[in-house]
Amino acid sequence: ETGVTQSPTHLIKTRGQQVTLRCSSQSGHNTVSWYQQALGQGPQFIFQYYREEENGRGNFPPRFSGLQFPNYSSELNVNALELDDSALYLCASSGPGLAYNEQFFGPGTRLTVL
Amino acid sequence: GDSVTQMEGPVTLSEEAFLTINCTYTATGYPSLFWYVQYPGEGLQLLLKATKADDKGSNKGFEATYRKETTSFHLEKGSVQVSDSAVYFCALLGGSEKLVFGKGTKLTVNP
Repeated sequence: ETGVTQSPTHLIKTRGQQVTLRCSSQSGHNTVSWYQQALGQGPQFIFQYYREEENGRGNFPPRFSGLQFPNYSSELNVNALELDDSALYLCASSGPGLAYNEQFFGPGTRLTVL
Repeated sequence: GDSVTQMEGPVTLSEEAFLTINCTYTATGYPSLFWYVQYPGEGLQLLLKATKADDKGSNKGFEATYRKETTSFHLEKGSVQVSDSAVYFCALLGGSEKLVFGKGTKLTVNP
């Protein structure tokens, strides 16, 4: 059974650029959640996708957007990057169903914005 | 809104010492409570959980009891090992169906 994978591992961008991060969910999982973990902080919920629909969003501006594909993999897109967007971005998958199941986390993508 | 407060780190212990990491929460209703662990360079792993008052979660020698009267979920281990060195996060799942995390506590265990 393959776990949650994320790509790329590391990424460096400059202010104003756009970035796309990718996540492959664990086999059999249909729910993907994205979190932002700033240095020295706990993860902050960005949004969740369930069966290709957004199912809840945290306090992040609209320039953070996402997609979930029919195979339940997911993308996180961030437009107009700001310095404060530098963080570890974690993807977690769970499922099946909407009821809470254990979320399995990927290793994360480290984004640095210069 | 929902929030989690856990003790500031870092915590440094010698091998076989007793560990306590305090965690308190604020939430409406009856949240589920979790401890996650993050080893260097890795994602988060669920360590243990408790879904209702007085439940005790346990795993790998770690324990935490859901105390509704004190809104706490303190993590304990009787004898830590060097391999327990990691960052520990307390988290809750409330009515919003999203995990809310504390800031994390870094534990270093020296041989």
